[in-house]
Amino acid sequence: QSVLTQPPSASGTPGQRVTISCSGSSSNIGSNYVYWYQQLPGTAPKLLIYRNNQRPSGVPDRFSGSKSGTSASLAISGLRSEDEADYYCAAWDDSLSGGVVFGGGTKLTVL
Amino acid sequence: QLQLQESGSGLVKPSQTLSLTCAVSGGSISSGGYSWSWIRQPPGKGLEWIGYIYHSGSTYYNPSLKSRVTISVDRSKNQFSLKLSSVTAADTAVYYCARDLSGDEGGGYFDYWGQGTLVTVSS
Repeated sequence: QSVLTQPPSASGTPGQRVTISCSGSSSNIGSNYVYWYQQLPGTAPKLLIYRNNQRPSGVPDRFSGSKSGTSASLAISGLRSEDEADYYCAAWDDSLSGGVVFGGGTKLTVL
Repeated sequence: QLQLQESGSGLVKPSQTLSLTCAVSGGSISSGGYSWSWIRQPPGKGLEWIGYIYHSGSTYYNPSLKSRVTISVDRSKNQFSLKLSSVTAADTAVYYCARDLSGDEGGGYFDYWGQGTLVTVSS
């Protein structure tokens, strides 16, 4: 059971816009930045979004992040076949049982 | 370009200690503002943060693993290490090392990752 809650799966057709949600609490998303990672099969995760909505250089602007209260979302517009991957959200948790917490991951399928 | 490379035993017997090292190249592990983390991923499952060591040498561990984890740094070799004691089959995972840019913001801002190394716990 992950501290941050993500849907296990999402899907879309090429060119579509899809969103992946990440739900937390006041001790993590509600009071700290959210980060998003993309993990292609057999590879290490790659930073996609930092500090809620910032893109590292090299990440296409098709990827965007947002945060509201204790929830966050990753949006992918103009979906492409190479976007098929697992996506994880992460945040710092201020509680006594805290540290870096991850969502359980969402497998995105491009139909 | 910063590079991280994990190394260590790929097979560990139950109840023994898992030991891994992450060699950092292309930058100094002593640079201020960074922490250095270990993260693991059981086969077919999600990511779990294990802990980090800050550039100052202070450490912070996942509370669920704290009693079994030690992260240390060897500045002369520009590398940091993970020791996880009393392992069981549940510790079988791909182990990643990563640099965290969060600084005073807590953690989670992993901009560079190693390629990961599979550690299997089995007799």
